[in-house]
Amino acid sequence: AQKITQTQPGMFVQEKEAVTLDCTYDTSDQSYGLFWYKQPSSGEMIFLIYQGSYDEQNATEGRYSLNFQKARKSANLVISASQLGDSAMYFCAMRDLYGGSQGNLIFGKGTKLSVKP
Amino acid sequence: EAQVTQNPRYLITVTGKKLTVTCSQNMNHEYMSWYRQDPGLGLRQIYYSMNVEVTDKGDVPEGYKVSRKEKRNFPLILESPSPNQTSLYFCASRPGLPGGGELFFGEGSRLTVL
Repeated sequence: AQKITQTQPGMFVQEKEAVTLDCTYDTSDQSYGLFWYKQPSSGEMIFLIYQGSYDEQNATEGRYSLNFQKARKSANLVISASQLGDSAMYFCAMRDLYGGSQGNLIFGKGTKLSVKP
Repeated sequence: EAQVTQNPRYLITVTGKKLTVTCSQNMNHEYMSWYRQDPGLGLRQIYYSMNVEVTDKGDVPEGYKVSRKEKRNFPLILESPSPNQTSLYFCASRPGLPGGGELFFGEGSRLTVL
């Protein structure tokens, strides 16, 4: 069965510094996708970044990058130059891309990031 | 604007009073899903649908029903709500193609059952 583990319930980071949010996963699928979502206090789920299991390069989207280490089954999110608006809950998620597990997205329990001024 | 729309956004109800949370998407997505979010548990899938008239249970389906009569709509039905169904509910959709991309989420529906 697929599983996502986020070991950091909460984290603090100083404004303008970089921060890494940890995510490890477990799956027997060969083709899978890893996703990160942000949930601010207003509650909506905002898609941040995606990494495919066969992608050779780490994904980047602006200040977000995904540190993908396939052999270690980790997909850590790196936020560079933290801003106050980055304070939110962050969820790591994964799903099979080609039909296994019906392609359902499963989530970790989340990490609450607080950015200090 | 591409979006997933849920209604109501907030609801307080009482035990046993049937309610429906509607979900509609305008992106012609085949796949739709319902999640509930509870503190410390992340998001857990309730039901999902691969296409019209095709629905299946997720991880926490007890106490819920769904239907998919039209491609754009995927309502969540609580026939007899109980206090343990107090939660934040999300509807989401994505294309059904292999690969399929990310899930698009609605804004969430916060339900309180007294």
